Amino acid sequence: KNEVEQSPQNLTAQEGEFITINCSYSVGISALHWLQQHPGGGIVSLFMLSSGKKKHGRLIATINIQEKHSSLHITASHPRDSAVYICAVRSPLYSGAGSYQLTFGKGTKLSVIP
Amino acid sequence: DVKVTQSSRYLVKRTGEKVFLECVQDMDHENMFWYRQDPGLGLRLIYFSYDVKMKEKGDIPEGYSVSREKKERFSLILESASTNQTSMYLCASSFWAAKSNQPQHFGDGTRLSIL
Repeated sequence: KNEVEQSPQNLTAQEGEFITINCSYSVGISALHWLQQHPGGGIVSLFMLSSGKKKHGRLIATINIQEKHSSLHITASHPRDSAVYICAVRSPLYSGAGSYQLTFGKGTKLSVIP
Repeated sequence: DVKVTQSSRYLVKRTGEKVFLECVQDMDHENMFWYRQDPGLGLRLIYFSYDVKMKEKGDIPEGYSVSREKKERFSLILESASTNQTSMYLCASSFWAAKSNQPQHFGDGTRLSIL
């Protein structure tokens, strides 16, 4: 079973700061997800990546497959970025063709102060 | 846009009751999942289904069962609710991995309290 570690657990930043959240995993994967969860519970997928780097607005996600490590960066952070960020790794399931399982990190709670 | 709808945002039940949590998706996804989320533990998979009438246990299936009679609907059943099942429950759905590179889509969650 894949072990997924995220760091830090909690992060407080001033508005405008550059933020990095890290994720490492123990077993090779087919893809990695970064998810965002706002207070109230709903989860939104930010990125899914299997190699290299992806960028969307002020968010950048990178993955190093050899080192089993991924980072999520937020440039020019804003109070609306305050949320829990969750890393999840995707592994195939053999019980059903094409099905897969996600294993989740415990999340990083980000608070951005004005 | 993909819509995953959970029947209740908040639910309060009593110990020993049979509890049904319903989830419906509108994107013809093959895969559907039920998770629970607890502070300090993150999301844990209870059950998943990769086709109608097909179900597989996840990491913590004890005390739960599921039903998938139609492709769009996946129900989680607490056979006899206990206080340790107080939690946030999240449903998700996705296409088969081979068919799509899209992520899982999540519902808004049901915060269940067992008294």
